[in-house]
Amino acid sequence: EPEVTQTPSHQVTQMGQEVILRCVPISNHLYFYWYRQILGQKVEFLVSFYNNEISEKSEIFDDQFSVERPDGSNFTLKIRSTKLEDSAMYFCASSGNNNQPQHFGDGTRLSIL
Amino acid sequence: ELKVEQNPLFLSMQEGKNYTIYCNYSTTSDRLYWYRQDPGKSLESLFVLLSNGAVKQEGRLMASLDTKARLSTLHITAAVHDLSATYFCAGGNYGGATNKLIFGTGTLLAVQP
Repeated sequence: EPEVTQTPSHQVTQMGQEVILRCVPISNHLYFYWYRQILGQKVEFLVSFYNNEISEKSEIFDDQFSVERPDGSNFTLKIRSTKLEDSAMYFCASSGNNNQPQHFGDGTRLSIL
Repeated sequence: ELKVEQNPLFLSMQEGKNYTIYCNYSTTSDRLYWYRQDPGKSLESLFVLLSNGAVKQEGRLMASLDTKARLSTLHITAAVHDLSATYFCAGGNYGGATNKLIFGTGTLLAVQP
């Protein structure tokens, strides 16, 4: 069965550094998402992406965050200058249309020191 | 903005017993999803409920949706240890190019032998 794949599985970064989290959504999917989950808490929506542009973003997704689909297969989340509170598990998800469930990747655990 | 609440937050139950997890949401939600998350793992889609009165069953799990009461339930029948995980419900609305999910707080289910 097709999967959403994310790399790396764990990223450790110094505060203030830039990080890029990578995702390869399921190939025929059209809607792409990033969510995050702070340890022990619920999953929070960050951003949705459709037709090569952001369709919605949450309050968490401030100017330090950006997303890109550079080559038609990868979908990246960049955090420009990381903060301690950015430490979380980041999940990428994709879906084929609005009726289908979103398929989640295994996540990237981001640890900011 | 849609808000989703689950209860209980933690559920310890014995094998063979039945129990129900409740998911309330604050405003109209076009669809309701149930996901399972094992510790340190991704989110696995269990059910998609699209209409009032929808009922879906898979093995020992059965999910239902009452849109008038804004309530979804996940019923566990004759629990087994393998069902131990965190269960999240998530709601969402059709919104053109976005399909973001709003997750509940999660229910940590521990099935004791």
